[in-house]
Amino acid sequence: KAGVTQTPRYLIKTRGQQVTLSCSPISGHRSVSWYQQTPGQGLQFLFEYFSETQRNKGNFPGRFSGRQFSNSRSEMNVSTLELGDSALYLCASSLALQGGYTEAFFGQGTRLTVV
Amino acid sequence: AQSVTQLDSHVSVSEGTPVLLRCNYSSSYSPSLFWYVQHPNKGLQLLLKYTSAATLVKGINGFEAEFKKSETSFHLTKPSAHMSDAAEYFCVVSNTGNQFYFGTGTSLTVIP
Repeated sequence: KAGVTQTPRYLIKTRGQQVTLSCSPISGHRSVSWYQQTPGQGLQFLFEYFSETQRNKGNFPGRFSGRQFSNSRSEMNVSTLELGDSALYLCASSLALQGGYTEAFFGQGTRLTVV
Repeated sequence: AQSVTQLDSHVSVSEGTPVLLRCNYSSSYSPSLFWYVQHPNKGLQLLLKYTSAATLVKGINGFEAEFKKSETSFHLTKPSAHMSDAAEYFCVVSNTGNQFYFGTGTSLTVIP
């Protein structure tokens, strides 16, 4: 069974540009969530999608957005990039069982560097 | 509100000695608790999970954790550290919406 796949693995962008990251969840998983990991802030929740709907959103500016497609694949977009957006972006998928008692499976992440 | 506090940012042990990584949680609900491990430049791997069944949870690679409601703790232990255990460990609590709250992480160093 294939794991969570994130593309690209590495990305270098210039300030002011925008970027789109992609995540393919484990087959059958309908919940996809995104996290930003930085040395200073640790792992912070960005948003979670379930069946193409955003269910939860973390405390990030509107420059960070996402979407989920009917096949559960998800993308996140960051517009007007800032140096502080440099981070490892992790995607996680889960079965999203009733009651939420289910683990998340993480991808390898996309390392975004903004110069 | 959900949160976790990892009490040690760094832990150093000698190879072959026990490992103890401490985690306290706060949750409005009956929580789901997890421990994940992250090796350098890698994603997060699930070590074990607590989901209101047995309070002593066994995970992969010889790790286990005990859920103690009275102490709101979920400490991770391993009887004998191996060099390959050197990594960053995260304690995580989840709400019913599949949103995961991470601790700040504990960096484990294993001394040969």
